[in-house]
Amino acid sequence: QSALTQPASVSGSPGQSITISCTGTSIDIGSYKFVSWYQQDPGKAPKLIIYEVSKRPSGVSYRFSGSKSGNTASLTISGVQAEDEADYYCCSYVGSSKMVFGGGTKLTVL
Amino acid sequence: QLQLQESGPGLVKSSETLSLTCTVSGDSTSSDDYYWSWIRQTPEKGLEWIGSIVYSGRAFYNPSLRDRVTISVDTSTKQFSLTVTSMTAADTALYYCARRVDTGLGAYFDHWGQGTLVTVSS
Repeated sequence: QSALTQPASVSGSPGQSITISCTGTSIDIGSYKFVSWYQQDPGKAPKLIIYEVSKRPSGVSYRFSGSKSGNTASLTISGVQAEDEADYYCCSYVGSSKMVFGGGTKLTVL
Repeated sequence: QLQLQESGPGLVKSSETLSLTCTVSGDSTSSDDYYWSWIRQTPEKGLEWIGSIVYSGRAFYNPSLRDRVTISVDTSTKQFSLTVTSMTAADTALYYCARRVDTGLGAYFDHWGQGTLVTVSS
């Protein structure tokens, strides 16, 4: 199983909306609605922010949203804030109880 | 509040075997909705799923690591363990244990340990 493809970095000014893409294949993202997203601050463990493509766990800001089209999933942060600066990882189910992550995207808030 | 805590050696010699344990507190490991998982992270590859195990003891592994990895669970002590044989420098990483929720409608990691750094020395 190959890692999902994410841009290495994205940036945006406070208040802007930014989108991070996560491209897989027909055997992972394209076949299942089991996409999740994680936010990782420096020196901390990843934190679940989106599951089942577009659902937010309790306590996660409404500014985070997820979607999927074909083999590509997307994470959108509306009205990006300085506190959103972090690394973001996508993850997908690939069948047979296996999982695969993306390579991660570093978000810089300008 | 569910908590997971990794424990094990921070330094392993090349070609030797790594053994890590994750202790779960605040919840039961006895549910097939939960897959107790190991994930590692390196600066080069980011996060990499190593494998997961359910209460019944059935384990699932990343195909790229399958030949060297074993995950086991002990529900009586609320611990699950990772063993990686023939360690090399490429296995130097931050190792996380995590709970994966797997209900048939979704699969995602909702709780993570703080991670433990494992360095392979020559």
